[in-house]
Amino acid sequence: DIQMTQSPSSVSASVGDRVTITCRASQGISSWLAWYQQKPGKAPKLLIFAASSLQSGVPSRFSGSGSGTDFTLTISSLQPEDFATYYCQQANSFPLTFGGGTKVEIK
Amino acid sequence: EVQLVESGGGLVQPGGSLRLSCAASGFTFSSYWMSWVRQAPGKGLEWVANIKQDGSEKYYVDSVKGRFTISRDNAKSSLYLQMNSLRAEDTAVYYCARDHPGGIEYGMDVWGQGTTVTVSS
Repeated sequence: DIQMTQSPSSVSASVGDRVTITCRASQGISSWLAWYQQKPGKAPKLLIFAASSLQSGVPSRFSGSGSGTDFTLTISSLQPEDFATYYCQQANSFPLTFGGGTKVEIK
Repeated sequence: EVQLVESGGGLVQPGGSLRLSCAASGFTFSSYWMSWVRQAPGKGLEWVANIKQDGSEKYYVDSVKGRFTISRDNAKSSLYLQMNSLRAEDTAVYYCARDHPGGIEYGMDVWGQGTTVTVSS
């Protein structure tokens, strides 16, 4: 199985900050990586697919990059509604696996 | 409006069974791979299973193989998860999710609100 490791597990930031979350796969997954945002008590929401493609309706302050084993989600200017937990997910092979999550908290 | 609505969760004793359902609307259900994803209390997301458009291919996480069965009824635009031999570690919110129109490689783009399964005596 492909293990997905996210870092950091949590980050404290202020509105307007640039926030970067990393995700590392235990083996190469090409660009088959998705990023999700989840708020407490809610279902996850797809933000980025194929490592760098922005899902329809997602603000452009979210961006993704990377390929192979190392990936990054960047929020260019953190907004109040962005405080949430973010997960990466590899879609290269079964079983599909998620990272452990990164909680973005208010500083 | 594209929507997924899960039902069937509840409290069940260890070793018991439960069948989850997911009703889809607002899109052509038969054109999409579909998935179940779960989240244990206070934990992260875990993909459980998915199924091809015509039901001819099914995949499972190892921890549920032989106990859970995913199925679909395209005529009813519905997805199911039959869960047998339930264990305490199966306690979670179970989400139904639509795989991206571009294919399973692109993630899951529509999610239900989740249904809670609690396995306890």
